[in-house]
Amino acid sequence: RKEVEQDPGPFNVPEGATVAFNCTYSNSASQSFFWYRQDCRKEPKLLMSVYSSGNEDGRFTAQLNRASQYISLLIRDSKLSDSATYLCVVTRNFNKFYFGSGTKLNVKP
Amino acid sequence: DAGVIQSPRHEVTEMGQEVTLRCKPISGHDYLFWYRQTMMRGLELLIYFNNNVPIDDSGMPEDRFSAKMPNASFSTLKIQPSEPRDSAVYFCASSMTAFNEKLFFGSGTQLSVL
Repeated sequence: RKEVEQDPGPFNVPEGATVAFNCTYSNSASQSFFWYRQDCRKEPKLLMSVYSSGNEDGRFTAQLNRASQYISLLIRDSKLSDSATYLCVVTRNFNKFYFGSGTKLNVKP
Repeated sequence: DAGVIQSPRHEVTEMGQEVTLRCKPISGHDYLFWYRQTMMRGLELLIYFNNNVPIDDSGMPEDRFSAKMPNASFSTLKIQPSEPRDSAVYFCASSMTAFNEKLFFGSGTQLSVL
């Protein structure tokens, strides 16, 4: 079983829409949680950390549900520039990062 | 800071040849990671180092792959002999010592083995 599972998408949404992604993780001992963004043919970059209490960064909101072992990312008022692949990441055993395969988002004009 | 620097950006080689990928982590980062990314398997951790010492190489696919970190500012990933199924993007990443610090990735090396 994969450490981290995500719906590959693509999610095709119009500008201004709200879109949400979920990912699930298999190991309850997972310690930290992140969302990374990867543009086509580029390296992954940290979008935001995910805290148990939930956290927000501008148009982006991340939530963690430890009981159900899933993480979510909500993007409000989608922009064309949000088009990318969003990678869910969990860590275990200190500094061992496990990446999901990513969810592709296409924001259309 | 220049960020994580990888070279070459692109490598095209023939099956059976030796391939060496290079990485310079961000100064002051104690952890260095090598990842491989393919469409089929996504991002896979191959090996990671802490203070130049390999900590976990369980992701290295087979003996054809080897990695070294002779000092804090340089690491190599070598494939010998290379095979077409090794074709992928290879990323190097580094992070600081603190617990679960974020990863900083290099731009990657696109490897094509013909």
